[in-house]
Order: sequence, then structure tokens, then C-alpha cells
Amino acid sequence: QQQVKQSPQSLIVQKGGISIINCAYENTAFDYFPWYQQFPGKGPALLIAIRPDVSEKKEGRFTISFNKSAKQFSLHIMDSQPGDSATYFCAASSKAAGNKLTFGGGTRVLVKP
Amino acid sequence: DTGVSQNPRHKITKRGQNVTFRCDPISEHNRLYWYRQTLGQGPEFLTYFQNEAQLEKSRLLSDRFSAERPKGSFSTLEIQRTEQGDSAMYLCASSLDPTGAGYGYTFGSGTRLTVV
Repeated sequence: QQQVKQSPQSLIVQKGGISIINCAYENTAFDYFPWYQQFPGKGPALLIAIRPDVSEKKEGRFTISFNKSAKQFSLHIMDSQPGDSATYFCAASSKAAGNKLTFGGGTRVLVKP
Repeated sequence: DTGVSQNPRHKITKRGQNVTFRCDPISEHNRLYWYRQTLGQGPEFLTYFQNEAQLEKSRLLSDRFSAERPKGSFSTLEIQRTEQGDSAMYLCASSLDPTGAGYGYTFGSGTRLTVV
């Protein structure tokens, strides 16, 4: 059972454009929703995270929007740069379940100069 | 503090051989997690420790897999009688026991296993 569904699988955006990645979850016990950035040959690196008691969180060019009733959350990358070209994963976890992360399938983002 | 360290970075082994990977977490982190990531997929949870206690194992972790964290410091993941389906990136992550308001994992760079 895929508990976190991520779309699109890949995304091409021009430099300066906006990248939008969407995720949907099923388990209402999830209480922490991070986004990770992964470069080839490296482990995932935490980008930004949100808890379900807020609807939006912004850190620099990265914004998470969270819709608890729809069980959906999204990552917006503003002013996309070639250095943002990477694979992005949404994830979800529950403190009650040991905070083990359930990841989405990933989105490969390519920012063209 | 150099983050989470995993060794080796790459391992090529013949089918049927045993392999062991090591993870050194961030020193003050009491939780340690193992994940497996196949090409083009998100990481999947395998097991986790709080200090030296192994608290949960995924159904993905067959009897051929065993993990230890002696003395609550480094951890090892052993795969016995490797199969081609075991080829993947094995990721280790550590975190503080999240009793506070916020926390985050730190992942290592992983060990890429290729079974030939």
C-alpha cells in the first residue's frame, strides 16, 4: 500500500520559473511532513518540513502548502535555479509510530538555464 | 561532528555471499534508522534503534537481514546469502528522540550494493 503518492514524476522548468510538486497521503496519523532533496550519489537532505497545525511554511525560495482536509501537501520552489536540479521526495511520519518516514516516489526536477 | 558516516560507499558482491555495512551516526543522536532505496524510488524503511534497542523491523527485512547497534553507538546491517534483488542503496539516518517540538533526520550518503 503506497501511503504517500507524489506527482509529477519529472519536471522541467526554466531558470527563474516556479517548480510545483504535489503529494497526497492516506494515513491521518501522520503528524510531520518533510521534503527532501537528493543529488545523485548522495543521501536525502532535509529541505523544509511542516506540521499539520499550520497551512503554509516558507523558507527562502521554498514553500510548503498543507491542506489537512484534503490530505495533500505541496512544495513550491520559487525562482528556480540550475543548482536546484535534483530529485525531490515528500515524506510523512508519525511520532506514535516511531517517526519512521514513508516517502513518496520522487520527482526529478531539471532547471534549464 | 562530520554528520552520518556510512562505509563502505560501494560494495560489489557475488550472489550468495554475506555483506556487512556500517553506520556511524551523529554522536548525540539516540535514534538510528536504516532505509533501502532502489533506483528511481523513494527510500523504504527497514528498521530503527533507540540507543541499543531495536524497536521495529519492517516486513521488508527478511530473515537474511540482521541489524545491530551495540552500546548505542555505531550500527551494522548484515545481509546473508545475498540475492540480486538485494541490489540497492542502503541508507542510514540518525535523529534525536523527538520528544521536543521539532526534529529532523540526518541521512548518510549510503552504501550502494550491487549483487552480481
